[in-house]
Amino acid sequence: DGGITQSPKYLFRKEGQNVTLSCEQNLNHDAMYWYRQDPGQGLRLIYYSQIVNDFQKGDIAEGYSVSREKKESFPLTVTSAQKNPTAFYLCASTGLKGTGGTGELFFGEGSRLTVL
Amino acid sequence: QQQVKQSPQSLIVQKGGISIINCAYENTAFDYFPWYQQFPGKGPALLIAIRPDVSEKKEGRFTISFNKSAKQFSLHIMDSQPGDSATYFCAASNRRNSGGYQKVTFGTGTKLQVIP
Repeated sequence: DGGITQSPKYLFRKEGQNVTLSCEQNLNHDAMYWYRQDPGQGLRLIYYSQIVNDFQKGDIAEGYSVSREKKESFPLTVTSAQKNPTAFYLCASTGLKGTGGTGELFFGEGSRLTVL
Repeated sequence: QQQVKQSPQSLIVQKGGISIINCAYENTAFDYFPWYQQFPGKGPALLIAIRPDVSEKKEGRFTISFNKSAKQFSLHIMDSQPGDSATYFCAASNRRNSGGYQKVTFGTGTKLQVIP
């Protein structure tokens, strides 16, 4: 079945460590996104990518990095510079206009990161 | 700057009642207004969406009411059921950006509990 796969589902990190969250999609979508979810704050955009080898900062990019070497993959690295990384991280994708874009975001099941 | 304001933050409704969640936006360039439903530990999924050329859209027990002049839209859940208990996010985006890219702005979410 087509969809978005995030891994790991749960991740624990010690302070000062970098961690990488995986996001893979087989929907043939051009655009991919990373959101951070905190209680009472909704979904905040970290980074997004419209095409391979190109990505832009979202509203809260500080302390995070991404890469887009393949259309189906958009990993997120939470670096030690992120001051409050404990959160639920969601990856999403959507088709763009001309490639079947409907406006709908498809989300993965999320990765919960806890800093010890 | 928060561009989509959502209320209430939480809502308790009895089974069979009507659940109403409200959102207001500021950016008049928004032209796509989706609602997403999220169950605990899962990623959000599109529930229903509306474009500003109509004032109402109904899908089963779910209805979006849209007031363009007031820059407000709301989700009504008729005959609410315990299975509707979830967090609901309103969102807005502009599909007219160059290259077809759309950046989605989310509300802060409403946690709905439907009690038997």
